[in-house]
Amino acid sequence: AIQMTQSPSSLSASVGDRVTITCRASQGIRNDLGWYQQKPGKAPKLLIYAASSLQSGVPSRFSGSGSGTDFTLTISSLQPEDFATYYCLQDYNYPYTFGQGTNLEIK
Amino acid sequence: QLQLQESGPGLVKPSETLSLTCTVSGASISSATYYWGWIRQPPGKGLEWIGSIYYTGSTNYNPSLKSRVTISVDTSKNQFSLKLNSVTAADTAVYYCARHPRLASIDHWGLGTLVTVSS
Repeated sequence: AIQMTQSPSSLSASVGDRVTITCRASQGIRNDLGWYQQKPGKAPKLLIYAASSLQSGVPSRFSGSGSGTDFTLTISSLQPEDFATYYCLQDYNYPYTFGQGTNLEIK
Repeated sequence: QLQLQESGPGLVKPSETLSLTCTVSGASISSATYYWGWIRQPPGKGLEWIGSIYYTGSTNYNPSLKSRVTISVDTSKNQFSLKLNSVTAADTAVYYCARHPRLASIDHWGLGTLVTVSS
C-alpha cells in the first residue's frame, strides 16, 4: 500500500495567516490526491481534488499543488472557520490511503 | 441532492459481526460513474479506507481488513452494506459510507455512525 506522510501533525496559527500543509507519497501518484477538512463530530469535506482542482463551493483561499510524490495544501488567509483537521488522500490505486492528519489550531 | 445515511447497531459484542447499511437518496446507486465505499475513524484517530463496491458487485478491499470484510450492494433498495466479522475493541470507530468516482476523490460522505465493540 502507498504510504502518505503528512506534516506537520499539528499547527498553531492566527486569523489572517498563510499556512501550508504537506503530504508525501511513498511512490509516485501522478496528481491523484485530494485534501479534506474535518471538524469535530462531522464527516470530512472535500476541498481539493486531482491535487489542484478546487471543489465546487470551496473558498478560493484554499489551493493545492504538487504531483508525483510531493503535495501541498495552502490556505492563503486563515479564517476562524478554517480551524479544523486536514487530511490528504491518495486515490491513485487501491487501497486508498490517508495521511495522518494535521490539526490546525488557533494561536 | 445526494444524501448517504448509515444505519445499524451502535453496539456489537467482541467476536461478533458488525453490520451496517448505507441508504443512498438523491442519486442512483446503479450509476456507471461512481463507486460506493466505507471508511472508518477510531475515536480521536485518523481515517482508514475499508473498501468500495461498484453497482455490478465488483469490490476492492483494504488488505489489512480483507479477511474479515464483505461489502455488498442492493440496487433494488439503493443501498450498500458492510459486514465486518470477528470484531474486537480495535474496531470501535465512527463508520462512514461515501461515494467516489473510480480511482478519484471521495466527494460525498454520510454523517457517520459510531459503532462500539464491547461486551
